[in-house]
Formats: sequence, C-alpha cells, structure tokens
Amino acid sequence: DAMVIQNPRYQVTQFGKPVTLSCSQTLNHNVMYWYQQKSSQAPKLLFHYYDKDFNNEADTPDNFQSRRPNTSFCFLDIRSPGLGDAAMYLCATSPGGRLGTQYFGPGTRLTVL
Amino acid sequence: AQKITQTQPGMFVQEKEAVTLDCTYDTSDPSYGLFWYKQPSSGEMIFLIYQGSYDQQNATEGRYSLNFQKARKSANLVISASQLGDSAMYFCAMRSSGAGSYQLTFGKGTKLSVIP
Repeated sequence: DAMVIQNPRYQVTQFGKPVTLSCSQTLNHNVMYWYQQKSSQAPKLLFHYYDKDFNNEADTPDNFQSRRPNTSFCFLDIRSPGLGDAAMYLCATSPGGRLGTQYFGPGTRLTVL
Repeated sequence: AQKITQTQPGMFVQEKEAVTLDCTYDTSDPSYGLFWYKQPSSGEMIFLIYQGSYDQQNATEGRYSLNFQKARKSANLVISASQLGDSAMYFCAMRSSGAGSYQLTFGKGTKLSVIP
C-alpha cells in the first residue's frame, strides 16, 4: 500500500542535542510538509517542499531546518532542541495543486529532557 | 484570511447511533476545499472526507458524509452507526486556491467519545 512513513515513532533527546526526524513516502507526491502539534492543539505547519522548492512559514523558528534529498524522503532537523520543542511532529504529502488532499504519516513524538 | 470554527470541544454518542460534528468556515476565496481528519490517541492524522467548494453533491465515504451548506458556510461531518473505534479527535480543515501558503487551516478539534 502507498503510504507515508515516519521514523522513529518516538524520539528522546537532551536539551540542546541536535535531532533528525525522518519521513518517506511511496505516493510519489510533489509536496511534502512538516507540522508540529503540541498537546491539545491543532497541527501547525513549519514548512513544505514543492519538489525541490523549500517554503518556510514566517513564524517557524530558525532552530528548525529541513532537507529533501529526493522525491521520496524529507528530513526535519532540530538544531538545538528546547523544552518547548517537545511535541508530535507530523509529516504529510500531497499531489501538486493547492487543493490536493494531504496524507499524514503516523508522527514522531519528541521528548526533550 | 481563512478561519475554521469547531464549537464542540467534546461530544458523546451511543454506539450504533449517528452523530454530527459541527464545522463552520470563513474565506474570501471562491475556490476552496474542506477536509475532515480523525486523530486517534496514537497520533496519526487519518484523512476521512473531502468537499470541494464547487461540488454540487455532498461528499460521502462509507459511514462518513459531509453536510455542506455553502450559503451558511458550514461543513458538518455526519458519522452513521458509530463504533467504539470512532472515539478520537476530529479536525475540520480548509485550503483555498488563492495565492499564499499551502497551509491547511485547522479548527481546534472535537473529541468524540463513543459509549458502549
């Protein structure tokens, strides 16, 4: 089945220690997204790639970076995690076109100690 | 600016009964899409149903249907014959075709609990 895969499902890191979250897709979609979701809140878009074009949301902290080496993979790098970065991180993909449905992966729950 | 409003923080429904989750939206774009997602406690966002602003018919997907009333700017989700596995958080979301971000605008969600 075509899907969006995220690894790891749970990640524990220490305050200030860089961490990388991984997302892959078999849907061959043009667009890949990273969302941050804190407890009892709606997901918040951090950035997205349309093919190789990177689009950062205006209020995404510089601490968050992303890489998309090819169509299938996208990575979220948190350079110096703070306690406030503990959250669920959701990767999503969609076909090109602004009204395309976004399909989400299972998420990575990040804990910062 | 786009906005989604879900006025029901929590809902209870008896197993096998139908339930309606409310969603109203606001946008100035004539072309937009409305989505419903289910998020169980495991965290995954599961796509349920889509309604385009120009679609003439209300969308249906199995036990899910979307009651789309364009003039009232509402897009309520109807779940028929509720099951215990339907207990989850439900988010209404919108995207428009206008210039700007690809961001999905989400409502705050409704937590549905199905009672045996």
